[in-house]
Amino acid sequence: GQNIDQPTEMTATEGAIVQINCTYQTSGFNGLFWYQQHAGEAPTFLSYNVLDGLEEKGRFSSFLSRSKGYSYLLLKELQMKDSASYLCAVRDRGGGSYIPTFGRGTSLIVHP
Amino acid sequence: DAMVIQNPRYQVTQFGKPVTLSCSQTLNHNVMYWYQQKSSQAPKLLFHYYDKDFNNEADTPDNFQSRRPNTSFCFLDIRSPGLGDAAMYLCATSRDRGQSNEQYFGPGTRLTVT
Repeated sequence: GQNIDQPTEMTATEGAIVQINCTYQTSGFNGLFWYQQHAGEAPTFLSYNVLDGLEEKGRFSSFLSRSKGYSYLLLKELQMKDSASYLCAVRDRGGGSYIPTFGRGTSLIVHP
Repeated sequence: DAMVIQNPRYQVTQFGKPVTLSCSQTLNHNVMYWYQQKSSQAPKLLFHYYDKDFNNEADTPDNFQSRRPNTSFCFLDIRSPGLGDAAMYLCATSRDRGQSNEQYFGPGTRLTVT
C-alpha cells in the first residue's frame, strides 16, 4: 500500500502564502488528489495531479514530482476561512481498485 | 443543492445495538464508498460499490456490512457496535474509479456509542 506523509499542523498569517507538502511511496502511482476538510465537515475536492508540474486554480495551486514522490499544495492570499485540514490522497493502480488512500491531513491555522 | 446526503447527521447507539446509517446521491454516480474517520486521522476506506459489485477492504471488520439496493442509495450496517466504532462515517461517490474522478463526500454521520 501507500505510505503518505504530511506535516501534522501548520500556522500562517492572513494574506500570506503557505505550502503544504505531501510525500508518498507507492508501487504504481496513478494520481494524487488534494482535499480540504473543515472541522466536522466532509472533505471537498481541491485538485488532481497525475503528470509532473504545477496545476493552478485560483488561489490554490498543486505541484507534483513523480520521480521524487512529492507534491505540494500552495495557498496564496490566505483568508481566515482557509483554516482547515488539507488531505493528500494517492491512487495506486496496484490491485486494480484505483481507490485513493488518504493521508492524515495537515491542519492549517490562519491567524490575523 | 445537496448531491450526497447522509442521514442522520448524528447518531447515538448503545453498545451492541445494531445501527444503520444511510446515504443517497443525486449524481447518478457508479461508485459509492463508505469511510470511517476518527479524530485527527485519515479517512479509512471500509468498502465500496462499483455499480452492484461490492468490494470489501481486507481489514474491514465483519461487524460492518453494506447494502446498495439501487444506484442512489447505500447503507452501512454495524451489527454490534463497540466503543471503538465511535467515529465520523463518510459516504462518498465518484462517477468512475479511474482517471481524474474525484470523490464527492456527504456531510457525514457522527456515531456515538454509549
